[in-house]
Amino acid sequence: KAGVTQTPRYLIKTRGQQVTLSCSPISGHRSVSWYQQTPGQGLQFLFEYFSETQRNKGNFPGRFSGRQFSNSRSEMNVSTLELGDSALYLCASSLVVRYNEQFFGPGTRLTVL
Amino acid sequence: KNEVEQSPQNLTAQEGEFITINCSYSVGISALHWLQQHPGGGIVSLFMLSSGKKKHGRLIATINIQEKHSSLHITASHPRDSAVYICAVRDDKIIFGKGTRLHILP
Repeated sequence: KAGVTQTPRYLIKTRGQQVTLSCSPISGHRSVSWYQQTPGQGLQFLFEYFSETQRNKGNFPGRFSGRQFSNSRSEMNVSTLELGDSALYLCASSLVVRYNEQFFGPGTRLTVL
Repeated sequence: KNEVEQSPQNLTAQEGEFITINCSYSVGISALHWLQQHPGGGIVSLFMLSSGKKKHGRLIATINIQEKHSSLHITASHPRDSAVYICAVRDDKIIFGKGTRLHILP
């Protein structure tokens, strides 16, 4: 069974631009979560989707948004990029929310110049 | 005070030593996760616990719900165990510890 895939793996953008990251979960998994990892803050929860509905959201500004499609694939969007948005963005999938093991993708490393 | 505290932050040990990494949390949880992250960023879920103890190979994870504390043990440590180990707790949301950087010397 294929693992969680994320595209692109690396991305360089400039301040003010917007970016869209994609996550394809393991086949059959209906929950996708997104995380941001930086050297200063570590791993932080962005949002969680299940069956196309956002179930939870972390403490990030409205510039960060996401969605999930009917095939469980998910995208996250960051608008008006800031230097501090440079990070590794990870997604993880699980069968359902809360009580299941999560399987992580390799991440997208975003650099904002 | 962070809601999830890990100790130690850094640990260097000789191959073969018994390793213990601790995680204390201050919030109500439905489950606790131990994650492993190797250089390059890939994260692997090692354990998900809501009570008691789990074992997988040389890894053992325990949790004490009353004391809000969990430990991850590695027996007969090996250089390939060198990684960052991250504790995460979840109820509605997931909160991560800062991680413990483990380096096993051959």
